[in-house]
Amino acid sequence: DGGITQSPKYLFRKEGQNVTLSCEQNLNHDAMYWYRQDPGQGLRLIYYSQIVNDFQKGDIAEGYSVSREKKESFPLTVTSAQKNPTAFYLCASMEEGRKNIQYFGAGTRLSVL
Amino acid sequence: EDQVTQSPEALRLQEGESSSLNCSYTVSGLRGLFWYRQDPGKGPEFLFTLYSAGEEKEKERLKATLTKKESFLHITAPKPEDSATYLCAVQAGGTYKYIFGTGTRLKVLA
Repeated sequence: DGGITQSPKYLFRKEGQNVTLSCEQNLNHDAMYWYRQDPGQGLRLIYYSQIVNDFQKGDIAEGYSVSREKKESFPLTVTSAQKNPTAFYLCASMEEGRKNIQYFGAGTRLSVL
Repeated sequence: EDQVTQSPEALRLQEGESSSLNCSYTVSGLRGLFWYRQDPGKGPEFLFTLYSAGEEKEKERLKATLTKKESFLHITAPKPEDSATYLCAVQAGGTYKYIFGTGTRLKVLA
């Protein structure tokens, strides 16, 4: 089945620790996205990538980093510089062309210990 | 500035009581407007995309419409399983980015 797989489903971070969230897609989409969702707020864009080996900062990139070495994979690292990382993180990929529809993974919930 | 506003924030309906959710937007050159359904603790599920004013899409009890300033998601005779948060997003022309509203939390009571 084609889709977007995020792992882990739940993640806990200790003070000063970097953690990496995985996102893999087998939809053959070029564009991929990372969003952060907090209660009562809309999805906020962290980073996006239109093509392999290229990515751009979104609206809230501080304290996060990404890489795009393969078309299928777009991992997000939450660094120790992100002081308020507790949130629900969503990865998406986009079917480009006329439709431009983004499809989402199931999400990773990150909490601070 | 590109912006999306959804109303109401929350809505409680009795089973069978039809209603509408609103998504007002301001965007430079609308490329597409998207509706998603999100269940608690899960990722958003794509419902509809609309591209130009006057366009309408239907799926089961849901119907989405679009004008130059807003979109409506009409829910006809809702059932408890329609309870979810409904998200609206727009894509401006020339960009790969979506702008999301904060969503409407819908609760349908049996």
